[in-house]
Amino acid sequence: NAGVTQTPKFRVLKTGQSMTLLCAQDMNHEYMYWYRQDPGMGLRLIHYSVGEGTTAKGEVPDGYNVSRLKKQNFLLGLESAAPSQTSVYFCASSYGRGSYNEQFFGPGTRLTVL
Amino acid sequence: AQSVTQLDSQVPVFEEAPVELRCNYSSSVSVYLFWYVQYPNQGLQLLLKYLSGSTLVKGINGFEAEFNKSQTSFHLRKPSVHISDTAEYFCAVSDVFNQAGTALIFGKGTTLSVSS
Repeated sequence: NAGVTQTPKFRVLKTGQSMTLLCAQDMNHEYMYWYRQDPGMGLRLIHYSVGEGTTAKGEVPDGYNVSRLKKQNFLLGLESAAPSQTSVYFCASSYGRGSYNEQFFGPGTRLTVL
Repeated sequence: AQSVTQLDSQVPVFEEAPVELRCNYSSSVSVYLFWYVQYPNQGLQLLLKYLSGSTLVKGINGFEAEFNKSQTSFHLRKPSVHISDTAEYFCAVSDVFNQAGTALIFGKGTTLSVSS
């Protein structure tokens, strides 16, 4: 099993450009998450999904959109990138919530917005 | 809402010395607690978790943590660290009554630096 994979690994954007980050998991997990990691801030939840076709906002959703058309994929979109979105983005998945909320993480995408 | 406080942002230690990384969480009726490790330029990897039962939890790489409900703490310990333990460590909590938000709530992380 590949676990959780993310593409791309690195990306540089200019302000105002758009892009989509792809997350894929092969563990048949229902729940998927997008986090951003910034120095001294820990991980902050952007959006999450509790199943195919469902998404919800997390702690810092502004400037991002997501889609979960297939159970194994969770896409994170930036419509008009801003320098404040320079960060490392992590995708994670889990079987469920509560005691089933052991989350498995992808390797991350390092995004720089100039 | 739940919150997690990691009391030390950086912990420098010499190789083969013991280490404790401290984590406190806000009170709740029932919680599930996790410690994750992040090696440089990698994603997060689960070290150990407390779901129920024994308050002393053993994880990978010789780490263990003790759940203390009265002090709302979940400190991570290792009796003898190696250079390879140099990494960032995150404490996280999953609130069993959190119906709307199912994601883990992370602390801000503790950087463990092991030197020879």
